[in-house]
Amino acid sequence: TQLLEQSPQFLSIQEGENLTVYCNSSSVFSSLQWYRQEPGEGPVLLVTVVTGGEVKKLKRLTFQFGDARKDSSLHITAAQPGDTGLYLCAAAAFYAGGTSYGKLTFGQGTILTVHP
Amino acid sequence: ETGVTQTPRHLVMGMTNKKSLKCEQHLGHNAMYWYKQSAKKPLELMFVYNFKEQTENNSVPSRFSPECPNSSHLFLHLHTLQPEDSALYLCASSQMSTVANYGYTFGSGTRLTVV
Repeated sequence: TQLLEQSPQFLSIQEGENLTVYCNSSSVFSSLQWYRQEPGEGPVLLVTVVTGGEVKKLKRLTFQFGDARKDSSLHITAAQPGDTGLYLCAAAAFYAGGTSYGKLTFGQGTILTVHP
Repeated sequence: ETGVTQTPRHLVMGMTNKKSLKCEQHLGHNAMYWYKQSAKKPLELMFVYNFKEQTENNSVPSRFSPECPNSSHLFLHLHTLQPEDSALYLCASSQMSTVANYGYTFGSGTRLTVV
């Protein structure tokens, strides 16, 4: 079983602060995805990173895939109350075939609360 | 609206009841999934269907019974549940061959409470 460990589990910050969430594993992945889940809703895909060392930006959010494709980080600049939610990382297995085909493994999530 | 619709949104049932959760996707995807989301635990994969054929049963107790009549519809039949089965049940769909790049589309979930 490929495990993803996210840290921190909880993050409570003031509006305007910066923060970083980490997603780590001992396994190598073909890609890594970040989702955001708001209360009462399902997770929504934010971004997919595919290449080792890749950096993607989505407005105030910056996503990075580790060089070895085992870890990723999500950095939010100048957080806003609208960023509040559960952030999940998810990874696809390195090999397209076998028992992991078509499935994602999820981390336990980081609950972010941004206070006005 | 994500293109994946789950009903009901909320369900309270007794341990002796039988109920069903429904999921419908309008995205033309060929794979559908049931996940269980409990507090302080990662999303737990329950079942996977590829072109309406079950390809995964992740050691789920028999009181949960999935049904996939076609690629667009997925059901989860529930009977004689336990209080520890209370959770958010999420349905997702994908194009299985492109999950690594395009991920899943989730429904809004059914919040299940077993009393």
